[in-house]
Amino acid sequence: SQKIEQNSEALNIQEGKTATLTCNYTNYSPAYLQWYRQDPGRGPVFLLLIRENEKEKRKERLKVTFDTTLKQSLFHITASQPADSATYLCAPSGNTPLVFGKGTRLSVIA
Amino acid sequence: GAGVSQSPSNKVTEKGKDVELRCDPISGHTALYWYRQSLGQGLEFLIYFQGNSAPDKSGLPSDRFSAERTGGSVSTLTIQRTQQEDSAVYLCASSLAPGQGRGNQPQHFGDGTRLSIL
Repeated sequence: SQKIEQNSEALNIQEGKTATLTCNYTNYSPAYLQWYRQDPGRGPVFLLLIRENEKEKRKERLKVTFDTTLKQSLFHITASQPADSATYLCAPSGNTPLVFGKGTRLSVIA
Repeated sequence: GAGVSQSPSNKVTEKGKDVELRCDPISGHTALYWYRQSLGQGLEFLIYFQGNSAPDKSGLPSDRFSAERTGGSVSTLTIQRTQQEDSAVYLCASSLAPGQGRGNQPQHFGDGTRLSIL
């Protein structure tokens, strides 16, 4: 069955540093991979979508990579701020329902 | 414009009762999804509607769960004879029509209904 692993349940970093979150998947070959942010008590908010033929995608301080050989996506937040503290979810998908990882809870410490 | 709206935001009910959860998607979004999120768990897919196509019900955990979408807009998720393990946050999302694959459109989520079964 499809399996998604996000590198750790929690990640703490200092303000101003780059946060790197990892998403690994097994047993399928998604054509797309999406990243979402979720704050406590709120629904997920879409951040970025990357296609299998794209190696990298950027949006402001966010960067996502998609390595279909390693079956891995990396999500980077540069110049992190306390407001970036949230849970980040990855969702690799093809022609099937989105399957979400459990998320990584990021805390950016001032 | 308005986002996805879910009601009620919280629902507490006794075991064995039926509950209805409502979702108002973003206008113009033909795709609608229901998910369940239990404490400390990822989002679990329940059901997917796209236009006039037959819904994908493959994620519904039991026959106590059902959903409908009227007029291609509002959707209702119904849980009959609720059990304590049904306690979770139920999230609805909508999107523009996916192309070849379901994952090629961003999904817009509501803030969910927090369901507690006593």
